[in-house]
Amino acid sequence: AQSVAQPEDQVNVAEGNPLTVKCTYSVSGNPYLFWYVQYPNRGLQFLLKYITGDNLVKGSYGFEAEFNKSQTSFHLKKPSALVSDSALYFCAVSFQGYSTLTFGKGTMLLVSP
Amino acid sequence: DGGITQSPKYLFRKEGQNVTLSCEQNLNHDAMYWYRQDPGQGLRLIYYSQIVNDFQKGDIAEGYSVSREKKESFPLTVTSAQKNPTAFYLCASSIQGQGSTEAFFGQGTRLTVV
Repeated sequence: AQSVAQPEDQVNVAEGNPLTVKCTYSVSGNPYLFWYVQYPNRGLQFLLKYITGDNLVKGSYGFEAEFNKSQTSFHLKKPSALVSDSALYFCAVSFQGYSTLTFGKGTMLLVSP
Repeated sequence: DGGITQSPKYLFRKEGQNVTLSCEQNLNHDAMYWYRQDPGQGLRLIYYSQIVNDFQKGDIAEGYSVSREKKESFPLTVTSAQKNPTAFYLCASSIQGQGSTEAFFGQGTRLTVV
C-alpha cells in the first residue's frame, strides 16, 4: 500500500526567509509525486510534480521540490517566502499503472510579515 | 473557460435525506474523482471513474453512490446510510487515469447535516 507523511501540521516562517514543507512517502515501485496548494474554502491547485529525470523539479509561483530516493522524500521549498504563500499544502503520491493519488494530511504554512 | 464546476457551493441536509452533489468538467478528461476532506485528515478517495459507464470504489465508498453516464459529468449522491456526511467534498479530473498526470480540482461543496 502506498502512503504519504507530512510530519508537520504547521510551518511558520517570516516573509523573505526560505521555506521548506516536508513530505516522505512509501510506495512499491517508482513513485510519481505531486504538490498541491489549497486556499480557504477552495479546491486544490497543482504546483509541481516529479515523474522521472532531474531530481529537482520547479513549479508554479517560485516553488521547487527535490526528489530524494534514498530518503524517500519530496520536500517543497521556496527561496523567499511571501505572505500570500500562506495556505494549506498537500503532498500526494501515485505510481505507474495506478490511477489514483494518495494524499498526505496537509501542512498549514503561515508566513508572517 | 475550461475547468471543473461543482454545485452547489454549500448544501444542507436533514437527517435521513439523500442529496446529490454535481460535478461537471469541460476539459475533455477521461478520469474523474470524488474526494472527501475533513480537518486534519487530508483528502480521502470516495469513488473514481476512468471511463463512461464505469467506476470503482475508493477508500471510503460506504454510504455514497455515483454514476458516469456522460464523460463530462460525475455526480455524487450522499445517502442516508452515510452516518457522518458533514465534510468538504472535492471533485477532480485528469487526462487519463495512469498516475502520472496531475488532477484538476473543482472549488468544492461544503455539506452540513442539520
